Amino acid sequence: NAGVTQTPKFQVLKTGQSMTLQCAQDMNHNSMYWYRQDPGMGLRLIYYSASEGTTDKGEVPNGYNVSRLNKREFSLRLESAAPSQTSVYFCASRDGRSGNYEQYFGPGTRLTVT
Amino acid sequence: DQQVKQNSPSLSVQEGRISILNCDYTNSMFDYFLWYKKYPAEGPTFLISISSIKDKNEDGRFTVFLNKSAKHLSLHIVPSQPGDSAVYFCAASALIQGAQKLVFGQGTRLTINP
Repeated sequence: NAGVTQTPKFQVLKTGQSMTLQCAQDMNHNSMYWYRQDPGMGLRLIYYSASEGTTDKGEVPNGYNVSRLNKREFSLRLESAAPSQTSVYFCASRDGRSGNYEQYFGPGTRLTVT
Repeated sequence: DQQVKQNSPSLSVQEGRISILNCDYTNSMFDYFLWYKKYPAEGPTFLISISSIKDKNEDGRFTVFLNKSAKHLSLHIVPSQPGDSAVYFCAASALIQGAQKLVFGQGTRLTINP
């Protein structure tokens, strides 16, 4: 099992460019999440998908969109990148059943917007 | 408004001694608490957790203590080993807007000195 995979690992964008971060999990988990990690801020939730076919905003959704393509895949799109979106992005998944709290994280995508 | 706080950005401990990492929270709705460990250029990995109905959970060298009245939890690592050098995140789980979500602290960088 690969667990949670993310592509790309690194990306440099110019202001105004768009891109999609890909995430896939092979654990048959129902719930998937996108976080960003900034120095001194911990991990902040951008968007989540509690189950296939549903998506909802998290704490910092502005400037992002998501697609839950199927049960395995959850992508994050930046339509017009801004320097404030320079960050490390982590995708995570969770079983989703009651009593299962642990989230499993991917290796991250380091994004720089110039 | 930081609901989960790790007030020590860094901690340095000698190998073989005890490491104590602290975490405070403000929201009484949190019902489960987790600690994650993160190495550079990797995603966070789950370390240990505790339900709000317990006050202690132990797993090998790692013990988590929960003081609900003080809204405080701590992670004890004993004995500390060089491989424990990493950033540790405290996370609290709650049902928010109908979905189980994690709220993370800012992280504490632990350095174990030989």
